[in-house]
Amino acid sequence: KNEVEQSPQNLTAQEGEFITINCSYSVGISALHWLQQHPGGGIVSLFMLSSGKKKHGRLIATINIQEKHSSLHITASHPRDSAVYICAVRKIQGAQKLVFGQGTRLTINP
Amino acid sequence: DGGITQSPKYLFRKEGQNVTLSCEQNLNHDAMYWYRQDPGQGLRLIYYSQIVNDFQKGDIAEGYSVSREKKESFPLTVTSAQKNPTAFYLCASSIARLRTNEKLFFGSGTQLSVL
Repeated sequence: KNEVEQSPQNLTAQEGEFITINCSYSVGISALHWLQQHPGGGIVSLFMLSSGKKKHGRLIATINIQEKHSSLHITASHPRDSAVYICAVRKIQGAQKLVFGQGTRLTINP
Repeated sequence: DGGITQSPKYLFRKEGQNVTLSCEQNLNHDAMYWYRQDPGQGLRLIYYSQIVNDFQKGDIAEGYSVSREKKESFPLTVTSAQKNPTAFYLCASSIARLRTNEKLFFGSGTQLSVL
Protein backbone atom coordinates (compact mmCIF):
# COMPACT_ATOMS: atom_id res chain seq x y z
CA LYS A 1 0.00 0.00 0.00
CA ASN A 2 1.32 3.44 -0.88
CA GLU A 3 2.22 5.69 2.02
CA VAL A 4 0.36 8.57 0.35
CA GLU A 5 -2.99 8.03 -1.35
CA GLN A 6 -4.96 10.63 -3.25
CA SER A 7 -8.59 10.57 -4.28
CA PRO A 8 -10.10 10.82 -6.72
CA GLN A 9 -7.53 9.93 -9.39
CA ASN A 10 -9.52 11.83 -12.01
CA LEU A 11 -12.11 14.56 -11.54
CA THR A 12 -14.14 16.38 -14.16
CA ALA A 13 -16.37 19.29 -13.20
CA GLN A 14 -18.13 22.29 -14.67
CA GLU A 15 -16.83 25.81 -14.35
CA GLY A 16 -17.91 27.37 -11.07
CA GLU A 17 -18.16 24.14 -9.08
CA PHE A 18 -16.53 23.67 -5.68
CA ILE A 19 -13.72 21.13 -5.93
CA THR A 20 -12.27 18.90 -3.22
CA ILE A 21 -9.21 16.69 -3.62
CA ASN A 22 -8.22 14.39 -0.78
CA CYS A 23 -4.90 13.09 0.48
CA SER A 24 -4.43 10.41 3.12
CA TYR A 25 -1.08 9.27 4.46
CA SER A 26 0.05 6.47 6.75
CA VAL A 27 3.35 7.78 8.17
CA GLY A 28 4.43 10.41 10.67
CA ILE A 29 5.09 13.67 8.90
CA SER A 30 6.64 17.05 9.60
CA ALA A 31 4.97 18.80 6.65
CA LEU A 32 2.60 18.21 3.75
CA HIS A 33 2.85 19.88 0.35
CA TRP A 34 0.24 20.48 -2.32
CA LEU A 35 1.67 20.89 -5.80
CA GLN A 36 0.16 21.75 -9.17
CA GLN A 37 1.50 20.23 -12.39
CA HIS A 38 0.55 22.01 -15.58
CA PRO A 39 -0.02 20.19 -18.90
CA GLY A 40 3.49 21.19 -20.00
CA GLY A 41 4.94 19.30 -17.06
CA GLY A 42 6.23 22.06 -14.83
CA ILE A 43 5.33 21.85 -11.14
CA VAL A 44 4.42 24.74 -8.87
CA SER A 45 4.25 24.55 -5.10
CA LEU A 46 0.83 25.69 -3.86
CA PHE A 47 0.93 25.11 -0.11
CA MET A 48 3.10 23.70 2.61
CA LEU A 49 1.20 22.73 5.78
CA SER A 50 2.09 21.33 9.15
CA SER A 51 -1.23 22.10 10.86
CA GLY A 52 -4.56 23.84 10.39
CA LYS A 53 -5.55 25.62 7.23
CA LYS A 54 -4.07 27.91 4.59
CA LYS A 55 -5.79 30.00 1.94
CA HIS A 56 -4.47 31.61 -1.22
CA GLY A 57 -6.99 33.20 -3.53
CA ARG A 58 -9.56 30.55 -4.48
CA LEU A 59 -7.46 27.71 -3.06
CA ILE A 60 -7.79 26.39 0.47
CA ALA A 61 -5.73 23.59 2.01
CA THR A 62 -6.49 21.89 5.30
CA ILE A 63 -4.76 19.21 7.29
CA ASN A 64 -5.88 17.00 10.18
CA ILE A 65 -2.76 15.56 11.76
CA GLN A 66 -4.67 13.15 14.03
CA GLU A 67 -6.59 11.67 11.13
CA LYS A 68 -3.58 11.83 8.75
CA HIS A 69 -5.65 13.53 6.11
CA SER A 70 -5.45 16.69 4.04
CA SER A 71 -7.81 18.29 1.56
CA LEU A 72 -7.32 20.82 -1.21
CA HIS A 73 -10.38 22.88 -2.09
CA ILE A 74 -10.92 25.11 -5.10
CA THR A 75 -13.79 27.57 -4.97
CA ALA A 76 -15.45 28.96 -8.12
CA SER A 77 -13.41 26.62 -10.32
CA HIS A 78 -12.23 27.82 -13.73
CA PRO A 79 -10.89 25.98 -16.81
CA ARG A 80 -7.43 27.36 -16.06
CA ASP A 81 -7.47 25.29 -12.85
CA SER A 82 -7.25 22.17 -15.02
CA ALA A 83 -4.04 20.43 -13.99
CA VAL A 84 -2.70 17.50 -12.00
CA TYR A 85 -2.68 18.17 -8.26
CA ILE A 86 -0.09 16.30 -6.24
CA CYS A 87 0.12 15.73 -2.51
CA ALA A 88 3.54 15.07 -0.99
CA VAL A 89 4.59 14.46 2.61
CA ARG A 90 7.89 14.99 4.33
CA LYS A 91 8.36 12.05 6.63
CA ILE A 92 9.65 12.64 10.14
CA GLN A 93 12.28 9.98 9.48
CA GLY A 94 14.39 10.63 6.41
CA ALA A 95 13.42 14.29 6.32
CA GLN A 96 15.32 14.94 3.10
CA LYS A 97 12.88 12.85 1.14
CA LEU A 98 9.37 13.66 0.09
CA VAL A 99 6.88 10.88 -0.58
CA PHE A 100 4.48 11.74 -3.37
CA GLY A 101 0.93 10.73 -4.10
CA GLN A 102 0.07 9.61 -7.60
CA GLY A 103 -1.75 12.83 -8.38
CA THR A 104 -5.33 13.86 -9.17
CA ARG A 105 -6.07 14.96 -12.72
CA LEU A 106 -8.61 17.78 -12.62
CA THR A 107 -10.49 18.94 -15.71
CA ILE A 108 -12.79 21.94 -15.51
CA ASN A 109 -15.12 22.32 -18.48
CA PRO A 110 -16.43 25.74 -19.49
CA ASP B 1 13.80 36.11 -12.78
CA GLY B 2 15.11 33.35 -10.51
CA GLY B 3 14.27 29.79 -11.28
CA ILE B 4 15.32 26.34 -12.38
CA THR B 5 16.13 25.61 -16.01
CA GLN B 6 16.08 22.10 -17.37
CA SER B 7 17.26 21.15 -20.83
CA PRO B 8 16.52 19.72 -23.23
CA LYS B 9 12.71 19.54 -23.07
CA TYR B 10 12.74 16.30 -25.10
CA LEU B 11 15.58 13.79 -25.37
CA PHE B 12 15.95 10.54 -27.24
CA ARG B 13 18.35 7.81 -26.27
CA LYS B 14 19.68 5.01 -28.43
CA GLU B 15 20.32 1.61 -26.90
CA GLY B 16 23.66 1.48 -25.11
CA GLN B 17 24.02 5.24 -25.05
CA ASN B 18 24.55 7.48 -22.04
CA VAL B 19 22.65 10.76 -22.04
CA THR B 20 22.91 13.75 -19.73
CA LEU B 21 20.05 15.95 -18.56
CA SER B 22 20.92 19.48 -17.54
CA CYS B 23 19.59 21.31 -14.47
CA GLU B 24 20.66 24.85 -13.58
CA GLN B 25 19.29 27.08 -10.82
CA ASN B 26 19.94 30.74 -10.00
CA LEU B 27 18.04 30.72 -6.71
CA ASN B 28 21.21 30.30 -4.63
CA HIS B 29 19.76 27.09 -3.19
CA ASP B 30 22.02 24.59 -1.47
CA ALA B 31 19.88 21.48 -2.01
CA MET B 32 19.01 20.00 -5.40
CA TYR B 33 17.04 16.90 -6.35
CA TRP B 34 16.28 14.68 -9.34
CA TYR B 35 12.91 12.93 -9.58
CA ARG B 36 11.51 10.47 -12.08
CA GLN B 37 7.81 10.54 -12.99
CA ASP B 38 6.06 7.59 -14.64
CA PRO B 39 2.40 7.61 -15.71
CA GLY B 40 0.04 6.87 -12.82
CA GLN B 41 2.84 6.90 -10.25
CA GLY B 42 4.09 9.42 -7.76
CA LEU B 43 7.43 11.12 -8.26
CA ARG B 44 10.38 9.00 -7.12
CA LEU B 45 13.70 10.36 -5.90
CA ILE B 46 16.76 9.41 -7.94
CA TYR B 47 19.55 11.46 -6.33
CA TYR B 48 19.84 14.52 -4.14
CA SER B 49 22.62 16.89 -3.20
CA GLN B 50 22.71 19.00 -0.06
CA ILE B 51 25.91 20.90 -0.83
CA VAL B 52 28.53 21.26 -3.54
CA ASN B 53 30.67 18.16 -4.10
CA ASP B 54 28.29 15.96 -2.14
CA PHE B 55 25.32 13.87 -3.25
CA GLN B 56 23.27 10.95 -1.97
CA LYS B 57 21.37 8.13 -3.63
CA GLY B 58 17.62 8.27 -3.55
CA ASP B 59 15.18 5.40 -3.86
CA ILE B 60 15.90 4.50 -7.50
CA ALA B 61 19.53 5.47 -8.15
CA GLU B 62 20.56 2.36 -10.10
CA GLY B 63 21.48 3.20 -13.69
CA TYR B 64 21.91 6.92 -12.98
CA SER B 65 24.81 9.14 -11.98
CA VAL B 66 25.12 12.79 -10.94
CA SER B 67 27.73 15.41 -10.15
CA ARG B 68 27.62 18.65 -8.16
CA GLU B 69 30.73 20.60 -9.04
CA LYS B 70 28.97 23.97 -8.87
CA LYS B 71 26.21 25.17 -6.56
CA GLU B 72 23.96 26.13 -9.45
CA SER B 73 24.33 22.95 -11.52
CA PHE B 74 23.23 19.34 -10.90
CA PRO B 75 23.36 17.29 -14.13
CA LEU B 76 21.89 13.80 -14.29
CA THR B 77 23.38 11.09 -16.53
CA VAL B 78 21.15 8.22 -17.56
CA THR B 79 23.56 5.38 -18.25
CA SER B 80 23.16 2.34 -20.47
CA ALA B 81 22.66 0.32 -17.28
CA GLN B 82 19.22 1.93 -16.86
CA LYS B 83 17.10 -0.56 -18.78
CA ASN B 84 13.83 1.35 -18.62
CA PRO B 85 14.77 5.01 -18.96
CA THR B 86 11.63 6.29 -20.68
CA ALA B 87 10.08 8.72 -18.20
CA PHE B 88 9.61 12.39 -17.35
CA TYR B 89 12.51 13.74 -15.29
CA LEU B 90 12.11 16.67 -12.92
CA CYS B 91 14.82 18.64 -11.19
CA ALA B 92 14.04 20.56 -8.00
CA SER B 93 15.83 22.69 -5.43
CA SER B 94 15.32 24.01 -1.93
CA ILE B 95 17.13 26.55 0.22
CA ALA B 96 18.88 24.21 2.65
CA ARG B 97 18.77 20.68 3.95
CA LEU B 98 18.60 21.38 7.63
CA ARG B 99 15.12 22.87 7.75
CA THR B 100 12.38 20.28 7.44
CA ASN B 101 9.73 22.64 6.14
CA GLU B 102 11.48 23.78 3.01
CA LYS B 103 9.45 24.59 -0.07
CA LEU B 104 10.56 22.88 -3.27
CA PHE B 105 11.03 24.70 -6.56
CA PHE B 106 10.77 22.62 -9.73
CA GLY B 107 12.05 22.88 -13.26
CA SER B 108 9.82 22.30 -16.29
CA GLY B 109 11.07 18.75 -16.85
CA THR B 110 12.72 16.63 -19.54
CA GLN B 111 10.88 13.85 -21.36
CA LEU B 112 13.33 11.05 -22.15
CA SER B 113 12.38 8.40 -24.68
CA VAL B 114 14.21 5.40 -26.06
CA LEU B 115 14.63 5.05 -29.83
